[in-house]
Amino acid sequence: GDSVTQMEGPVTLSEEAFLTINCTYTATGYPSLFWYVQYPGEGLQLLLKATKADDKGSNKGFEATYRKETTSFHLEKGSVQVSDSAVYFCALSDRGNAGKSTFGDGTTLTVKP
Amino acid sequence: DAGVIQSPRHEVTEMGQEVTLRCKPISGHDYLFWYRQTMMRGLELLIYFNNNVPIDDSGMPEDRFSAKMPNASFSTLKIQPSEPRDSAVYFCASSPRAGVGTQYFGPGTRLLVL
Repeated sequence: GDSVTQMEGPVTLSEEAFLTINCTYTATGYPSLFWYVQYPGEGLQLLLKATKADDKGSNKGFEATYRKETTSFHLEKGSVQVSDSAVYFCALSDRGNAGKSTFGDGTTLTVKP
Repeated sequence: DAGVIQSPRHEVTEMGQEVTLRCKPISGHDYLFWYRQTMMRGLELLIYFNNNVPIDDSGMPEDRFSAKMPNASFSTLKIQPSEPRDSAVYFCASSPRAGVGTQYFGPGTRLLVL
């Protein structure tokens, strides 16, 4: 079945540091890939997505590229801010899976001033 | 657009009581999902509906849990009787389309069973 594996956390960075959170996936079909972010006390919200190989999703300075050859969708940001402190979830949605998404375990990011 | 609406936002109850969580999805969305989030188990999919019909309830932990979607704009998740291990944050999410559809999450209901 489908699965998503994320880099284990927690991750602690200083403000303006470079961020990478690794995500790899296993899927039988041709999935769409997502990064969601969850701020304290809130629900998950879409950060970015990519629907086919080599697509790059981007939002709020975050980027991730759909790499079919390595089955990866790593999240990057060049300069993190304190306000980026949150939990980040990698997810996939497979057309063959009747609408269901598979989520990773989440990576907690803390950015210190 | 009001987004996904959940009520109540917080619920404190005693073991053995019935708990009903409510969700109003985004208008026009075909899919509705119920999740549970805990520190120990992370985010778990409990059940999801397509066009008001339950598609997969394999994540429902036991018979004490039930979910309904009587129409396109309302769903409930019921726990009867509740137990302390049911304490968690319960999220409802809706999605406009299968396959590439993004899920839109509600703010969650924080449940504490004493």
